[in-house]
Amino acid sequence: DAGITQSPRHKVTETGTPVTLRCHQTENHRYMYWYRQDPGHGLRLIHYSYGVKDTDKGEVSDGYSVSRSKTEDFLLTLESATSSQTSVYFCAISESEGGADTQYFGPGTRLTVL
Amino acid sequence: GEDVEQSLFLSVREGDSSVINCTYTDSSSTYLYWYKQEPGAGLQLLTYIFSNMDMKQDQRLTVLLNKKDKHLSLRIADTQTGDSAIYFCAEIPSGNTGFQKLVFGTGTRLLVSP
Repeated sequence: DAGITQSPRHKVTETGTPVTLRCHQTENHRYMYWYRQDPGHGLRLIHYSYGVKDTDKGEVSDGYSVSRSKTEDFLLTLESATSSQTSVYFCAISESEGGADTQYFGPGTRLTVL
Repeated sequence: GEDVEQSLFLSVREGDSSVINCTYTDSSSTYLYWYKQEPGAGLQLLTYIFSNMDMKQDQRLTVLLNKKDKHLSLRIADTQTGDSAIYFCAEIPSGNTGFQKLVFGTGTRLLVSP
């Protein structure tokens, strides 16, 4: 399972509050990703990281920020949560496997913004 | 543009074969992937195929790639109730350097009835 954990697994919060989701990996992978999953949209990339302190935006980055101060942790922050950010959030890492770069996913965090 | 399309739903009987289809628009994609998502869980990598191949078999799974038509399919032989899940195809479009921008389809929900 590539040693990926996410916390919390479930969270309910109110509009306007800050929220931080944590992704933790134990296998020293360089690349880490945050996705959100919504019905009818599949998974969409929010932000990704290619090393400590090296991050960049994905296709749906508005309203989100990330930080990576250690190789093993990649944090996703919603500075002021909105109802449109109600979603399931997945963290992923990537590694090379027989020539193919493959991504492995954490178990997800279900976030509800009331 | 980058757009991966899948049918939303497939229902089969246990023991039958299932075929899940996917079309993509980037003919230069290098790798194409199939992921499985069970209820309440993250995405599990099932298999992948390199773009210079037209078929890959892995136990009960057969992946067929038709580059001319930009069509990818996943065949599951002897489908079991445990195969009930959502199946996502994904591609890495051309032009990605340094990180994998996986583009996902919207997912096909497979329901296997006894």
